[in-house]
Amino acid sequence: DSGVTQTPKHLITATGQRVTLRCSPRSGDLSVYWYQQSLDQGLQFLIQYYNGEERAKGNILERFSAQQFPDLHSELNLSSLELGDSALYFCASSKGGEREQFFGPGTRLTVL
Amino acid sequence: GQQLNQSPQSMFIQEGEDVSMNCTSSSIFNTWLWYKQDPGEGPVLLIALYKAGELTSNGRLTAQFGITRKDSFLNISASIPSDVGIYFCAGQLQTGANNLFFGTGTRLTVIP
Repeated sequence: DSGVTQTPKHLITATGQRVTLRCSPRSGDLSVYWYQQSLDQGLQFLIQYYNGEERAKGNILERFSAQQFPDLHSELNLSSLELGDSALYFCASSKGGEREQFFGPGTRLTVL
Repeated sequence: GQQLNQSPQSMFIQEGEDVSMNCTSSSIFNTWLWYKQDPGEGPVLLIALYKAGELTSNGRLTAQFGITRKDSFLNISASIPSDVGIYFCAGQLQTGANNLFFGTGTRLTVIP
């Protein structure tokens, strides 16, 4: 158990819908990272937050957004969903400047 | 994004054999991490490497940070059935961003 929690574990929805994925980092960690894992693209970095502020952006679509709240939990919002958005979404956390990232169990999103 | 080439893509080995896999990049990294992922689970951090030439062990696992900073190697000695899974290398660039770039993974099967 990495100490990072993610909910829900599974999510099934329809095209055009909007969903919110939630992540709670390890106790004491200030940085949260979101990654997408799909069969054709592998594990890809989406976005990082550090202590409530956006720190880095990767290959995140404009339809996707994230935020980190004062209690340091983070949410990833996916809107106008398409079939190709079906993937595993992982959250990882680190203390901040530390380079080791610890991953949560992931949310499997299926868009029908 | 950065391309990390990981090889081999898959390996079938007998229990008790040693395993070697590697990861190469066209870019210089300041950190190399090795993760293992079981089906439906999040990646679990195995070993972290911070300096060129560094050799680090974690039980039967040994990893090295290549001298050129563009590659890393993972060895597993005396494999056991629970070593089955997908092994990913991940690197962080020298630019100061904390996000990870992942390799394509090596799927390991251990035959009892």
